Amino acid sequence: EAQVTQNPRYLITVTGKKLTVTCSQNMNHEYMSWYRQDPGLGLRQIYYSMNVEVTDKGDVPEGYKVSRKEKRNFPLILESPSPNQTSLYFCASSLLRNTEAFFGQGTRLTVV
Amino acid sequence: EDQVTQSPEALRLQEGESSSLNCSYTVSGLRGLFWYRQDPGKGPEFLFTLYSAGEEKEKERLKATLTKKESFLHITAPKPEDSATYLCAVQATSGGSNYKLTFGKGTLLTVNP
Repeated sequence: EAQVTQNPRYLITVTGKKLTVTCSQNMNHEYMSWYRQDPGLGLRQIYYSMNVEVTDKGDVPEGYKVSRKEKRNFPLILESPSPNQTSLYFCASSLLRNTEAFFGQGTRLTVV
Repeated sequence: EDQVTQSPEALRLQEGESSSLNCSYTVSGLRGLFWYRQDPGKGPEFLFTLYSAGEEKEKERLKATLTKKESFLHITAPKPEDSATYLCAVQATSGGSNYKLTFGKGTLLTVNP
């Protein structure tokens, strides 16, 4: 089954403790991206990647890092999480730049 | 800056009562406009892509249309299972080689039996 898989689904952590949210797709897609979704603000793009080793900032990249060492994986790294990063995070992938994005099931992160 | 505005924010319909959702956008050049459906606690699910003004696409009770300034998602004879948040997103040509999607805040649709 074609899918985008994120882990973990739920995470509660403390301020400053480094964490990684994993994202993997099995569709051989070139493009991958990370979004956060907050009430009243909608979905906002954090980072995206157009291929292995090629990444760029989206609208809200501060406090996040990404890497794309393999085509199928695109982890999101929070080096020093803060409470304002409490949010619902989605990973997505697309075959081409202007084709539909397939989204993962989401990771709900709480930073206390 | 690319902008996407969806209206209304929330819409409540009776089963069978047809209506339309609006997505107004401002981009210097449109590469594509996307409609997604999102159920509570889940990731957005792709519905349609529209690339040029005048284009229309249909799927079951849904029909999406596109003009140079806005897109409509028409829902004909909705059922309670159509209840969800509907998201509109645009990708602009002005971004060059980047991969940027700008989303609207969505319309929460509730269909009562």
